[in-house]
Amino acid sequence: ELKVEQNPLFLSMQEGKNYTIYCNYSTTSDRLYWYRQDPGKSLESLFVLLSNGAVKQEGRLMASLDTKARLSTLHITAAVHDLSATYFCAVRETSGSRLTFGEGTQLTVNP
Amino acid sequence: DGGITQSPKYLFRKEGQNVTLSCEQNLNHDAMYWYRQDPGQGLRLIYYSQIVNDFQKGDIAEGYSVSREKKESFPLTVTSAQKNPTAFYLCASSISVDQPQHFGDGTRLSIL
Repeated sequence: ELKVEQNPLFLSMQEGKNYTIYCNYSTTSDRLYWYRQDPGKSLESLFVLLSNGAVKQEGRLMASLDTKARLSTLHITAAVHDLSATYFCAVRETSGSRLTFGEGTQLTVNP
Repeated sequence: DGGITQSPKYLFRKEGQNVTLSCEQNLNHDAMYWYRQDPGQGLRLIYYSQIVNDFQKGDIAEGYSVSREKKESFPLTVTSAQKNPTAFYLCASSISVDQPQHFGDGTRLSIL
């Protein structure tokens, strides 16, 4: 059974600071996704990572994937208040037909 | 505009009642999914469908039922057997199971 663990689960940071969210998974995967969810809202797709060493960047967010370590990171650079949200990673087991989600990291960026 | 429409936005269920949540997509996606989200938690898969007239159970299918008679539609019924239905329900779709999932705005279900 595929398990996906995120840490930290809660993150409070100041504007302008950098931080990293980690996503570990337990079996081989061919696809990893990062999503953002604002309170009471739906999920918005941020990144899709397909191969070992893949790196994607959008604004102040950068996601990377290490398939050998079964680890993905979401790095936040110079955080701003607008980045406050819950971030989920979701993993597809190799050749599987479904995603398994992590518990989410609730990020709060304080002015 | 193409997208996924969930209705209603809020739903209240009485004891012993079945309720049906609607999910419609006009993205021409083959795969559709239902997730349950409890406060402060991640998403858990209830059912998914890769193609019309076919669906599979997810991790928490007990007390729920689905149908997939049309490509565009994947309704979820929360039966009276589901004793703790209060949650946020999200429907998603994707072109195929290996492509990114797009989510609807969700239905919040509560017990009266």
